[in-house]
Amino acid sequence: SAVISQKPSRDICQRGTSLTIQCQVDSQVTMMFWYRQQPGQSLTLIATANQGSEATYESGFVIDKFPISRPNLTFSTLTVSNMSPEDSSIYLCSAHRGPGNTIYFGEGSWLTVV
Amino acid sequence: DAKTTQPPSMDCAEGRAANLPCNHSTISGNEYVYWYRQIHSQGPQYIIHGLKNNETNEMASLIITEDRKSSTLILPHATLRDTAVYYCIVSDAGGTSYGKLTFGQGTILTVHP
Repeated sequence: SAVISQKPSRDICQRGTSLTIQCQVDSQVTMMFWYRQQPGQSLTLIATANQGSEATYESGFVIDKFPISRPNLTFSTLTVSNMSPEDSSIYLCSAHRGPGNTIYFGEGSWLTVV
Repeated sequence: DAKTTQPPSMDCAEGRAANLPCNHSTISGNEYVYWYRQIHSQGPQYIIHGLKNNETNEMASLIITEDRKSSTLILPHATLRDTAVYYCIVSDAGGTSYGKLTFGQGTILTVHP
């Protein structure tokens, strides 16, 4: 199994500011992903965090708003930029070691923008 | 859009088996069926996954029909702690698409005493 840790677990932020969420996996993984879960909704994929290159974003998500880094095979960050109350969500990181392997999720980072 | 259809809610008595159905009639030959659950505001917890054979682990059993168009997740002896939202997801088995999960609304399973 893979253990995925996220920091912070929750935060309250002022609108207009930015917050960086960290995702640390306890072993090397092939792929890492970022999801958003808005209140009362299901999870939506934001982007694939590519190691050593720019992230691949899903429709409706852009790099300027959600810059992502992945400097190595165990770590990634997601920044939520210029936050508004609509960005209040749980942000989740997931990872796996290759096709057919289990896909694990972190516990999420609960962000409230006031 | 999610590629699966699940009932929005189900009830189960504690100690009984919980059978959660999922329809994935458009599944392709290289797509896995994954099951996750999410207990209030926690990260999704992996339960089980399979390609075409039935699978069993310490948490649950996964029964996939021969045509692979539907599956059933079985929790053999449900407890109150199994109350959660259960997600059935199909995921491309290969290439860079593997791991990109499309979550539907899931099934809210309520286990009652």
